[in-house]
Amino acid sequence: EAGVAQSPRYKIIEKRQSVAFWCNPISGHATLYWYQQILGQGPKLLIQFQNNGVVDDSQLPKDRFSAERLKGVDSTLKIQPAKLEDSAVYLCASSPARGGNYGYTFGSGTRLTVV
Amino acid sequence: GNSVTQMEGPVTLSEEAFLTINCTYTATGYPSLFWYVQYPGEGLQLLLKATKADDKGSNKGFEATYRKETTSFHLEKGSVQVSDSAVYFCDGQNFVFGPGTRLSVLP
Repeated sequence: EAGVAQSPRYKIIEKRQSVAFWCNPISGHATLYWYQQILGQGPKLLIQFQNNGVVDDSQLPKDRFSAERLKGVDSTLKIQPAKLEDSAVYLCASSPARGGNYGYTFGSGTRLTVV
Repeated sequence: GNSVTQMEGPVTLSEEAFLTINCTYTATGYPSLFWYVQYPGEGLQLLLKATKADDKGSNKGFEATYRKETTSFHLEKGSVQVSDSAVYFCDGQNFVFGPGTRLSVLP
């Protein structure tokens, strides 16, 4: 089974620029998550989708971050405008369903550096 | 809600040493429990899981037993290798990860 695909792998931008990340989850996985992992910290949940609906976006900085999963499959996360403190690895994960016994499958992440 | 508390690192061991990383949980019921591993430059990988009390998860020589009486899910390995150097995360399905435990194994 193919894993969770993310692109790009690395991105360097200047502050106040915009950036977008893409994620393609495992086929058939209904639940998709975006996490932000700052160096030396654990992943922090930004947003959770169930199919194409948002389940939880309480920790998403909505003034600058947005995410969508229009057809319930792949997803994009956008930052506009970026700040220096957005430098982090952005991880996408998927799961067959919410809760339960499945655990997450993570992608390799996109490392964002804001200069 | 559910939460887990994991021992913080870093942990440094010599090759072939015994490893224990402590994890305890707080929950109203009995959530599934997971250990994830993150190698440098990669995303987290599911290492093992247990879905009910007294279950033992195991993978790649690692084991963890879901102990209801002590509300624990400690990760153990009898003989670590240099290639086990990574960050380990305990998870109780509440979408909150702590800083993890960084393990360094020296040859």
